[in-house]
Amino acid sequence: DAGVTQSPTHLIKTRGQQVTLRCSPKSGHDTVSWYQQALGQGPQFIFQYYEEEERQRGNFPDRFSGHQFPNYSSELNVNALLLGDSALYLCASSSGTGYQPQHFGDGTRLSIL
Amino acid sequence: QKEVEQNSGPLSVPEGAIASLNCTYSDRGSQSFFWYRQYSGKSPELIMSIYSNGDKEDGRFTAQLNKASQYVSLLIRDSQPSDSATYLCALKPGDYKLSFGAGTTVTVRA
Repeated sequence: DAGVTQSPTHLIKTRGQQVTLRCSPKSGHDTVSWYQQALGQGPQFIFQYYEEEERQRGNFPDRFSGHQFPNYSSELNVNALLLGDSALYLCASSSGTGYQPQHFGDGTRLSIL
Repeated sequence: QKEVEQNSGPLSVPEGAIASLNCTYSDRGSQSFFWYRQYSGKSPELIMSIYSNGDKEDGRFTAQLNKASQYVSLLIRDSQPSDSATYLCALKPGDYKLSFGAGTTVTVRA
């Protein structure tokens, strides 16, 4: 049973560039959430996708956008990269809403030079 | 006031001792609470979930929830060196997102 998979594992970009991160949810899960984790901090919620729609968004600028595909996989896009975007980007999947826990992938480490 | 606050670490305990981690939250409507363990350079791993007041035990881990006091805790009994990690308290203030604390780093001394 495959868990949550993310790609790539590591990425190095320069300021002003754009990046796309990818996530495949755990088998049986239909909901994908994205989080940003800066060093020494807890993960911060970016947004959540369900039925190919963004249904909740955290306090992140419009430079952060996403998409969910019919097979429930998801992409996170970040435009006009800033040095402060350097972080671990985590994808979490879950089934339905309410009490269901979220399970995380291994993350993508994004470094901005 | 932060949405989720954890006791500041790092917390150092001898092998075999009990590690006690605490978390308070501000949203009284929160219904789902979770503890995640995160090893250095790795992603968070779910270790406990708790939804009702009281204690929930799973192996060496016990989660305690008190909604009236807006308090959730995690006890690690018979601590092992492999328990050395950062422990993240998380909750759902609604149906969708998780809100996390900053984490408490635990070091178990052999």
